Amino acid sequence: EVQLLESGGGLVQPGGSLRLSCAASGFTFSSYAMTWVRQAPGKGLEWVSIISDSGDLRYYADFVKGRFTISRDNSKNTLYLQLNSLRAEDTALYYCARKPGVNERVFDYWGQGTLVTVSS
Amino acid sequence: SYELTQPPSVSVSPGQTASIACSGDKLGDKYVCWYQQKPGQSPVLVIYQNNNRPSGIPERFSGSSSGNTATLTISGTQAIDEADYYCQAWDSTTSYVFGTGTKVTVL
Repeated sequence: EVQLLESGGGLVQPGGSLRLSCAASGFTFSSYAMTWVRQAPGKGLEWVSIISDSGDLRYYADFVKGRFTISRDNSKNTLYLQLNSLRAEDTALYYCARKPGVNERVFDYWGQGTLVTVSS
Repeated sequence: SYELTQPPSVSVSPGQTASIACSGDKLGDKYVCWYQQKPGQSPVLVIYQNNNRPSGIPERFSGSSSGNTATLTISGTQAIDEADYYCQAWDSTTSYVFGTGTKVTVL
C-alpha cells in the first residue's frame, strides 16, 4: 500500500524557516517524481514544486521566487521542502504527492498534509 | 500565466447527473485530470488523461474535453459524492495548474 506521511509543519514567525519531510513507503520511491502542493485554509489547491526521480531536475511555482528548495534522499525514501523567508501568505496545509510516470502529468497518491502557520 | 476556471458550486439531486466544467485557453489540447476532496481529507484522483478512471473509482465518474472546456460528469450522483472537485492540467509556461474548485452539493 502506498503511503506518504508528511511532517515538520508548525508555527513560525514571518521571515522564519521550516523543513518539511515526506516519508514514503509501499512503492519504489527512487522510481517516481514527487511533488509538493499546498492549500491555504478554506482555499483551493496550489502547486508548489516538483522533483524528478533521481533528484536532478527541480521546478518551482513562480511565487516561490527562490525561497523554497525541494530535495529528496532516495536512500531514506524521503522527500523534503525547505521553506525560507516565510510570509503570512505561505500559511497552508502542505501535501506531498506522487507523480505516477514520466509522461503522466498527474498526482496519483497524496499524503495527509502538514500545516504551516506563519504568524507573529 | 495559465488559469483554469470552475464554477464555485454545483447542486444536484440524488440519482441525477452532475456536470462540472473547467475552462482554460485551448484546454482541449492538454490532458486534464480531476481530484475529489472531501472535508478534512486529502485529494483523491478520480479522472486522468481527460477520461480515464484509476482503479477503484466508480464508473459513475467520467470525463471529457474539447475546445476550451473539460467536463467532469457524475452520473447517478450519490450523497457520498458531495465534495470539492478540482481540475488540473499542465502548461509549458506555468507548469502544473489547478482549477479554482467546485463544491458539489447533493440536495
